[in-house]
Amino acid sequence: AQKVTQAQTEISVVEKEDVTLDCVYETRDTTYYLFWYKQPPSGELVFLIRRNSFDEQNEISGRYSWNFQKSTSSFNFTITASQVVDSAVYFCAPHSRLSFGAGTTVTVRA
Amino acid sequence: NAGVTQTPKFQVLKTGQSMTLQCAQDMNHEYMSWYRQDPGMGLRLIHYSVGAGITDQGEVPNGYNVSRSTTEDFPLRLLSAAPSQTSVYFCASREDGLADEQFFGPGTRLTVL
Repeated sequence: AQKVTQAQTEISVVEKEDVTLDCVYETRDTTYYLFWYKQPPSGELVFLIRRNSFDEQNEISGRYSWNFQKSTSSFNFTITASQVVDSAVYFCAPHSRLSFGAGTTVTVRA
Repeated sequence: NAGVTQTPKFQVLKTGQSMTLQCAQDMNHEYMSWYRQDPGMGLRLIHYSVGAGITDQGEVPNGYNVSRSTTEDFPLRLLSAAPSQTSVYFCASREDGLADEQFFGPGTRLTVL
């Protein structure tokens, strides 16, 4: 069965600390994409990044970086030098027709 | 472009009532979906559609019906509301490529008494 697991329920950091979010996607598919979405306290859902299953190089975009390890199906997402505006729930989601992971609530304290 | 729109924003129903949550998108996306969000449960897929006239069930379809008569609209019907359907409902759409992200509506907060 296909399943997305976000083991971290909540993470709390002080501003400027780095935050790493973990996601594991169990699937038999060999080609797929995984996505991260952000849901700030205002409630809207916003796309952040995507990663495919055939590229394990690290990628960086601004304060966001991410990498994918196919051997463990782990898709990790890091926010560098966190800011209060990064406080939100972060969801990992597959492209296929499945539900999202349960989400990780990130709280960044000033 | 308005993107994905949902109406109403808030709704209170009594047990047993029926209603339709509206969803529309103006991006000509073939794929549309409905999720419900409950505390600690993430977003669970209710129904999805890969194009006009084609719908399929997600993880939690019981108690909900959908239809897709046009590319733009994907309404979600609650047949006989139950308190367990109290939730926030999100509609989303996307292109149909593997790399395409979803665009979400603002959500409908539904309370069933």
